[in-house]
Amino acid sequence: SQTIHQWPATLVQPVGSPLSLECTVEGTSNPNLYWYRQAAGRGLQLLFYSVGIGQISSEVPQNLSASRPQDRQFILSSKKLLLSDSGFYLCASTWEGRTNTEAFFGQGTRLTVV
Amino acid sequence: LAKTTQPISMDSYEGQEVNITCSHNNIATNDYITWYQQFPSQGPRFIIQGYKTKVTNEVASLFIPADRKSSTLSLPRVSLSDTAVYYCLVGDESGYSTLTFGKGTMLLVSP
Repeated sequence: SQTIHQWPATLVQPVGSPLSLECTVEGTSNPNLYWYRQAAGRGLQLLFYSVGIGQISSEVPQNLSASRPQDRQFILSSKKLLLSDSGFYLCASTWEGRTNTEAFFGQGTRLTVV
Repeated sequence: LAKTTQPISMDSYEGQEVNITCSHNNIATNDYITWYQQFPSQGPRFIIQGYKTKVTNEVASLFIPADRKSSTLSLPRVSLSDTAVYYCLVGDESGYSTLTFGKGTMLLVSP
């Protein structure tokens, strides 16, 4: 069965520190992968998506970056966090045999930049 | 992706049927209509998807008129646990999709 692993669940980081959030997918091959951010009480903002290894598309210019070193691994990074980077970060994946508008989400990482 | 428009919020009471309508006037021929549910501090969860007419599963029904310019998510006999944000998405199921979510509809179910 399909599973998305996303960690850590919560994270408190000082301004200016680096960030690395990892998402791994099990149970499918060649998924489309997505990173979203959700500020408190707000909607889902699409940050990055990837249709294959090494292929990253950015939706919103900012101090974040993403990488896909393996088929089922998606990493969100920052060299220097800003206060405005605080939020709920979600990884999502499509699945073999399902349509590409039918994504499954991880449990999310609550990031607080202090 | 075709742009969607939904009510910002809706209120209901336990046991009632709730219908949330989504407008997607620019839907393309190959686009499907997909609905997600999101609880606080959780990722969205796929509820239902359809192309035309009516689709029903164990959670909800989706009604799509012939012109496909709108769709209605129907939740039968809601309970307190159905309080959540509901998102309507429209996109091509082939190739890839950027899965852009709108603001969604906040459904509040009261006792």
